[in-house]
Amino acid sequence: GDSVTQMEGPVTLSEEAFLTINCTYTATGYPSLFWYVQYPGEGLQLLLKATKADDKGSNKGFEATYRKETTSFHLEKGSVQVSDSAVYFCALLTSNTGNQFYFGTGTSLTVIP
Amino acid sequence: DGGITQSPKYLFRKEGQNVTLSCEQNLNHDAMYWYRQDPGQGLRLIYYSQIVNDFQKGDIAEGYSVSREKKESFPLTVTSAQKNPTAFYLCASSAIAGGRLRWNQTQYFGPGTRLLVL
Repeated sequence: GDSVTQMEGPVTLSEEAFLTINCTYTATGYPSLFWYVQYPGEGLQLLLKATKADDKGSNKGFEATYRKETTSFHLEKGSVQVSDSAVYFCALLTSNTGNQFYFGTGTSLTVIP
Repeated sequence: DGGITQSPKYLFRKEGQNVTLSCEQNLNHDAMYWYRQDPGQGLRLIYYSQIVNDFQKGDIAEGYSVSREKKESFPLTVTSAQKNPTAFYLCASSAIAGGRLRWNQTQYFGPGTRLLVL
């Protein structure tokens, strides 16, 4: 079945460090891929998305490229800030599931000054 | 502003009690969803609805019930049959364009309700 596997956390980085959070997926058909962010005590917010192979989603300095050959959608940021501390979720949506999303387990990021 | 509201922010349940979590959206979205989030874990789908008066079970529907009498509202009831209800509950909605499912529609989330058992 369709699924998402996400890098386990927690991840702790110093401010201005480079961030990578790995995400790989298994899906039939042609999924759309998403990264959501959850700040403490809040709901999820869409961070970025890509709807077809080789698309790059980007927002707030974060980027992720949809790699069909490696079935991956890794999240990257060149220089993290303390305000980036949150839980990050990778998710997929396929034509086989209508509007049903599959979420990864989330990766907690803490950025220290 | 358009968005999704959930209430209450915190909810306390006594043993054997049913409680209802509210979810309202003014985004004119057809589809709505309920997820459960446990500490350190991802999201698990409880129920979803793609049209008024219709809803489908997700992965962990046992002990929960929903209704969809209005497009804007999708309340979730946590029944006494749910033996481990303590969790963070998230509601979401998404568009379905032209009466046919468009599979690249983004989900938008509410702020969540934290349910605690007394």
